[in-house]
Amino acid sequence: AQSVTQPDIHITVSEGASLELRCNYSYGATPYLFWYVQSPGQGLQLLLKYFSGDTLVQGIKGFEAEFKRSQSSFNLRKPSVHWSDAAEYFCAVGAPNNNDMRFGAGTRLTVKP
Amino acid sequence: NAGVTQTPKFQVLKTGQSMTLQCAQDMNHNSMYWYRQDPGMGLRLIYYSASEGTTDKGEVPNGYNVSRLNKREFSLRLESAAPSQTSVYFCASPGGGYNEQFFGPGTRLTVL
Repeated sequence: AQSVTQPDIHITVSEGASLELRCNYSYGATPYLFWYVQSPGQGLQLLLKYFSGDTLVQGIKGFEAEFKRSQSSFNLRKPSVHWSDAAEYFCAVGAPNNNDMRFGAGTRLTVKP
Repeated sequence: NAGVTQTPKFQVLKTGQSMTLQCAQDMNHNSMYWYRQDPGMGLRLIYYSASEGTTDKGEVPNGYNVSRLNKREFSLRLESAAPSQTSVYFCASPGGGYNEQFFGPGTRLTVL
C-alpha cells in the first residue's frame, strides 16, 4: 500500500516569508497526490492535487506544489505567507483504481507577526 | 448543496457505552469513508464503502462497525466505547474523477 511521510511536525515562519512543507511518498507507480489544509476545529480543505502532466501544480490561496518523481516528493510552497495560513497541512497519496488514500501525520504551521 | 454533513459535532461517552455517528452526502458519490484523526498520526482509515451495499475495512477497523444505509448515508457505530477511541472522526466522500476526498466537519468524541 502507498504511504506518506511529512518530516516536519511543526514549522514557524514570519509573515511575508516564503514557505516550503515537505512530503515524501512511497508508491510503485505514478500516484495521485494531494495537499489538504485544516484550520483549528475545522474539516480538511483541498489545496491542490496532482495526477499527471505538468509537475508544478497551482492550488488555491496562492499555494503550489512540485512533483519530483526522482525524489518521491511533493513539496508544498508559498512565496509569501499570510497570518491566515496558520493551520495544519496534510499530504496524501492515492492510487488509480484504489479506494485507499493515505495521509501523512501533518505539519503544523505557525506564522509569526 | 451541503456536501458532507456529520452529526453530532461533539460527544462525550463513558467507557462501555455505545453510539452511532451519522454521515450524509448530497453529491451523488458512490464511495464514502470514515477516518479518525489523532495527534501526530494524521488521518487513518477506519472503514469505507465503495458503493451502496458494500463495506470494507481500512487500517484501524477494530472496535467499529459501519452501515451503508443508502447511497447518501454511511454510519459508524461504536458498540462498547473505550478511551482509546477518543478522537476526531471525519466522514469523507471521494469524487472529481481522481478520488479527491470531500470531508465533513468532523465529530469530536471523548470517551471517559
